[in-house]
Amino acid sequence: QLVLTQSPSASASLGASVKVTCSLNSGQSNYAIAWHQQQPEKGPRYLMRVNSDGSHSKGDGIPDRFSGSSSGAERYLTISSLQSEDEADYYCQTWGTGIQVFGPGTKVTVL
Amino acid sequence: VQLQESGPGLAKPSQTLSLTCTVSGGSISSGVYYWSWIRQPPEKGLEWIGFIYYSGSTYYNPSLKSRITISVDTSKNQFSLNLRSVTAADTAVYYCARGEWNAPVDSWGQGALVTVSS
Repeated sequence: QLVLTQSPSASASLGASVKVTCSLNSGQSNYAIAWHQQQPEKGPRYLMRVNSDGSHSKGDGIPDRFSGSSSGAERYLTISSLQSEDEADYYCQTWGTGIQVFGPGTKVTVL
Repeated sequence: VQLQESGPGLAKPSQTLSLTCTVSGGSISSGVYYWSWIRQPPEKGLEWIGFIYYSGSTYYNPSLKSRITISVDTSKNQFSLNLRSVTAADTAVYYCARGEWNAPVDSWGQGALVTVSS
């Protein structure tokens, strides 16, 4: 069963970095995930895919300060040089044959 | 590619919620992509509903499978969602989206709010 776990919230100061974590079940540590950003009152936007080896591929127009990485069953989204518009909900997503699953989301607050 | 949801913003309890997604800037029949419906209840997270391939093959969330039908109209470059026997718990913003097979959603529509109320 595909299940994703995320911390409910994360915060960092303007200009600093924040790391958001998405956890897969231990038996699914070879799965890739994707990150989506949802700014307040807006629809989601695809940010990137993160593979189990830590490689990642970003969507069109996603700034360089967004990056992805992996360690075991954990997948990470790092936002560097935080800007006010980065304050948003961040959802991870994974998939199997004929199924898609979203994590519960992490609210990132820019202090 | 752009995706745009359309349909009634209000549905009555026990009736059927129907939405259509119009795809522009690309062909729904390209064979590369699957076409998804995803919803988000107020103040809650994202829930995958299901997706369809241009050939008509469908895959549904097991928790909703008994109530949903997703169909595709390649001549209109559209795909649709029918959700039967709705209750207040089906009130949500409904998004249509696109992704490649065995890959994530990579394009989203703007979303359509559907309220279930008498």
